[in-house]
Amino acid sequence: SSELTQDPAVSVALGQTVRITCQGDSLKKYYATWYQQKPGQAPVLVIYGQNDRPSGIPDRFSGSSSGNTASLTITGAQAEDEADYYCNSRDSSGNRVFGGGTKLAVL
Amino acid sequence: QVQLQESGPGLVKPSETLSLTCTVSGGSITSDYWSWIRQPPGKGLEWIGSIYYSGSTNYNPPLKSRVTMSVDTSKNHFSLKLSSVTAADTAVYYCARHHESTRYGWFDPWGQGTLVTVSS
Repeated sequence: SSELTQDPAVSVALGQTVRITCQGDSLKKYYATWYQQKPGQAPVLVIYGQNDRPSGIPDRFSGSSSGNTASLTITGAQAEDEADYYCNSRDSSGNRVFGGGTKLAVL
Repeated sequence: QVQLQESGPGLVKPSETLSLTCTVSGGSITSDYWSWIRQPPGKGLEWIGSIYYSGSTNYNPPLKSRVTMSVDTSKNHFSLKLSSVTAADTAVYYCARHHESTRYGWFDPWGQGTLVTVSS
């Protein structure tokens, strides 16, 4: 079982704002990193660090953290944002661990 | 721009050893860490382990007894061996460059992934 917990599925209306969350005790100490994965493709880094985006990632993607919860927010969701999203951080032993993933549907 | 490409057999028999190689192009392997991550069909991501170019390793505890990673700086590639495989090891295996800092780390870029099926 993962030490990072994500909601299995979330939906958002086209153009609206959605928040995808990731919970875990290690998030009190370490930042989460977020990955987007579309069917048949490798995951792509979308947010790392406190709230950094790699080049090429739209600025509608942002990250935040409070207590034991990290969040990925998509402001003005687009149809192409429909994908699985995974958080990643360290576990209590310092090893890398992924959340179970959240399937985002854009309606 | 760094690119990664996994290679190896797509079919492995139960109880045998899975062997994969990740070739790094567009940059040197002599920086950062390098990781293997897998994803069983229809399931989530699982970190397998990481290796530094110097050869130091860190493995996911549930897999630690079966995993060996190595790096060959002369060939700019790193490798994964997973022994005593079962059907539960059937997955898409990804390699990725792995950056670590004090409070966070990230995997970027990733290889395209290679499906390994464990079956007799």
